[in-house]
Amino acid sequence: DARVTQTPRHKVTEMGQEVTMRCQPILGHNTVFWYRQTMMQGLELLAYFRNRAPLDDSGMPKDRFSAEMPDATLATLKIQPSEPRDSAVYFCASGSDSFNEQFFGPGTRLTVL
Amino acid sequence: AQRVTQPEKLLSVFKGAPVELKCNYSYSGSPELFWYVQYSRQRLQLLLRHISRESIKGFTADLNKGETSFHLKKPFAQEEDSAMYYCALRLDGANNLFFGTGTRLTVIP
Repeated sequence: DARVTQTPRHKVTEMGQEVTMRCQPILGHNTVFWYRQTMMQGLELLAYFRNRAPLDDSGMPKDRFSAEMPDATLATLKIQPSEPRDSAVYFCASGSDSFNEQFFGPGTRLTVL
Repeated sequence: AQRVTQPEKLLSVFKGAPVELKCNYSYSGSPELFWYVQYSRQRLQLLLRHISRESIKGFTADLNKGETSFHLKKPFAQEEDSAMYYCALRLDGANNLFFGTGTRLTVIP
């Protein structure tokens, strides 16, 4: 049963610390998405990749957030330095050009104190 | 700019009652609309898409281009329908989705 995996599942850190979240897309999928979920904003797209190339990261605060795909099996989202307002659940999803469904990971719940 | 609006953050209905979760969108092109659902302690998952014109778990949604709406409906709510529901829009030729803010549905026994 192929699934998107994310690590860590929970992260508590102090303001100013670096946070790295990892995602393993489903094997064979060529699109990867990062979303942030908050009560107020719902699901916001932060960045997405197609064939490992970043296509849109306009939803991401550029001064502190960065997203990369070092290889086809790993996507990372990094926050440096983290701030309390970054506290949220971060979801990774993967998909394919062949169909229009996105498959979501379990999310990383981030708390920045 | 494209946008998806779900006007209700919270919606409670009694078991057996009809339920309608509202979704409106703004997009001048040909939209592709989806409903995603997140049950408690589960992943966000696709519920249905307008192009399939299917009924999933008793839910249906019709794309109304005149009213730019894609409301999700079920004639008789069940307790297991309690979840967070997100409406999503995909633009022409794009891979990414624009999500609404979500509606938390609670079905009261």
